[in-house]
Amino acid sequence: AQSVTQLDSHVSVSEGTPVLLRCNYSSSYSPSLFWYVQHPNKGLQLLLKYTSAATLVKGINGFEAEFKKSETSFHLTKPSAHMSDAAEYFCVVGNAGNMLTFGGGTRLMVKP
Amino acid sequence: SQTIHQWPATLVQPVGSPLSLECTVEGTSNPNLYWYRQAAGRGLQLLFYSVGIGQISSEVPQNLSASRPQDRQFILSSKKLLLSDSGFYLCAWRVGAVNTGELFFGEGSRLTVL
Repeated sequence: AQSVTQLDSHVSVSEGTPVLLRCNYSSSYSPSLFWYVQHPNKGLQLLLKYTSAATLVKGINGFEAEFKKSETSFHLTKPSAHMSDAAEYFCVVGNAGNMLTFGGGTRLMVKP
Repeated sequence: SQTIHQWPATLVQPVGSPLSLECTVEGTSNPNLYWYRQAAGRGLQLLFYSVGIGQISSEVPQNLSASRPQDRQFILSSKKLLLSDSGFYLCAWRVGAVNTGELFFGEGSRLTVL
């Protein structure tokens, strides 16, 4: 069995300040981990993915995430938030059994 | 390049009426296809997935059904809608193993059942 917990349902930051969106997972297998972004009334878009290569993964739009096996975490970060980053973010875990499990989502708000 | 089309984008239906949402993928062959539902303020719930024509797996018991009449066509249906069927429905596709391939999502269909 596998599960994903996004520790914050809402995160609010000021433009230009760092972003941290937290994700913890559990998996019986060596997992693959993904972060997706969803803008209002749109589909989801892949930001980045971890598939057992480098533990620090760089994605689009300046986002990156670090896989920490000892902490079972895959937190998403960005050094400086832009207004266009305001969206909902989903952490996702996948395994070799062809299943993906989505976290509950974190809504990021960016204040001017 | 690959594209995914989903329609209608918005739908308002009375309780007890039928439903048909359609999804088609272009530019790829034999994709894995998925239907997800996103209720207001909640995460994504996998409803159905398909690994090939006529092959449908259901994840959650409900009054919805899915069909895959062609390789790149995936349809979500209901004979009688319930209020609880309201939500944002997303179709997605993937090629390759889940631990290496990303999901590509359509733009979604917002269903309101009154």
